[in-house]
Amino acid sequence: SAVISQKPSRDICQRGTSLTIQCQVDSQVTMMFWYRQQPGQSLTLIATANQGSEATYESGFVIDKFPISRPNLTFSTLTVSNMSPEDSSIYLCSVAFPPGPQHFGDGTRLSIL
Amino acid sequence: TQLLEQSPQFLSIQEGENLTVYCNSSSVFSSLQWYRQEPGEGPVLLVTVVTGGEVKKLKRLTFQFGDARKDSSLHITAAQTGDTGLYLCAGARGSGAGSYQLTFGKGTKLSVIP
Repeated sequence: SAVISQKPSRDICQRGTSLTIQCQVDSQVTMMFWYRQQPGQSLTLIATANQGSEATYESGFVIDKFPISRPNLTFSTLTVSNMSPEDSSIYLCSVAFPPGPQHFGDGTRLSIL
Repeated sequence: TQLLEQSPQFLSIQEGENLTVYCNSSSVFSSLQWYRQEPGEGPVLLVTVVTGGEVKKLKRLTFQFGDARKDSSLHITAAQTGDTGLYLCAGARGSGAGSYQLTFGKGTKLSVIP
């Protein structure tokens, strides 16, 4: 498995602002993903973070709203842009070493006022 | 869209009781995973079931994958307070890279009372 560190662990932001969440892994990983876990809802895959190229977004998520970077095999960022109260959620990164399972970080708890 | 329905949504039981959590879908999944998530932490994988009809046991937890690979159940025997948490099922859409594109259920929040 891997040690996954997410920063910040929580934040309270004003609407209209943007926040960048970092995901650092203690070893090189093939696959990295970003999920959203809204209150009372299931975890939803936002995108697959691809090293050296644009992320692959799931239906309903767009790059302008959730830009993702992955400059190397141990680090990725997710930005939540122009935030509104509907973006209040837990954002989780996960990593995988195929063919093994996914491992999740502890998440970033985001509240928008 | 592939959906996974989990039931019950909430469950509160006494220590020592047995319980079953269900995960149902109209879609076929290549595999199904069960996670447990505690407050302030990310989900932790408990088991992956791949074959229709498969049964896996993890101490007091028994996981079953339906014959048609559309549903699954988690049975806990003699629940303990340490079993308290949010139990999530997740279905994989395909094999290889597709096995990492997971559809999650909304979860079952279990409280085991001493």
